Amino acid sequence: DAKTTQPNSMESNEEEPVHLPCNHSTISGTDYIHWYRQLPSQGPEYVIHGLTSNVNNRMASLAIAEDRKSSTLILHRATLRDAAVYYCILRDANRDDKIIFGKGTRLHILP
Amino acid sequence: GAVVSQHPSRVICKSGTSVKIECRSLDFQATTMFWYRQFPKQSLMLMATSNEGSKATYEQGVEKDKFLINHASLTLSTLTVTSAHPEDSSFYICSASGYNSPLHFGNGTRLTVT
Repeated sequence: DAKTTQPNSMESNEEEPVHLPCNHSTISGTDYIHWYRQLPSQGPEYVIHGLTSNVNNRMASLAIAEDRKSSTLILHRATLRDAAVYYCILRDANRDDKIIFGKGTRLHILP
Repeated sequence: GAVVSQHPSRVICKSGTSVKIECRSLDFQATTMFWYRQFPKQSLMLMATSNEGSKATYEQGVEKDKFLINHASLTLSTLTVTSAHPEDSSFYICSASGYNSPLHFGNGTRLTVT
């Protein structure tokens, strides 16, 4: 079973920041938090991942709670091309583990 | 960055025939590849884990004799849907990663069985 919980859907206006939450209360000490997104009719695309500290890359930022039981993916300025299903996933750092996808959050961007 | 190539992107076949889908890691060696299936408006469902040089590990409810997986090299895994039926019509996606690195996904294969 997926070990994360996300809202089914969210809406945001174009050019505004978007905060996508994820709860993972059963996270273990060696679990990395990964985020992927899937555009229509495409395979998922890697967005970002982190362990404890907040992370930034060209696509997004990842804010991780101090107790690591939740995290937030931040898109700083949403565009229409960011409309996708966003998946928050845990993956053990020490094993080449399979990834079980939850239902993800369907992000709608309003022009 | 790392790229996973999946081929074909779209295939239509007649009921009873077999279809092979290829998944290649283009610029890294993937000791493990994963095969997923996705129905419309649903999330990805893991079918099997493919390890180079050994038998694939199938998830519960996935028929190993129907979905044949071969991982002959560190850059290639194949999924063969044998004796396909209309209910096998779906979007099939492969993924691969090196050790302790993010997964990279192919762009999927849309299979339609008529």
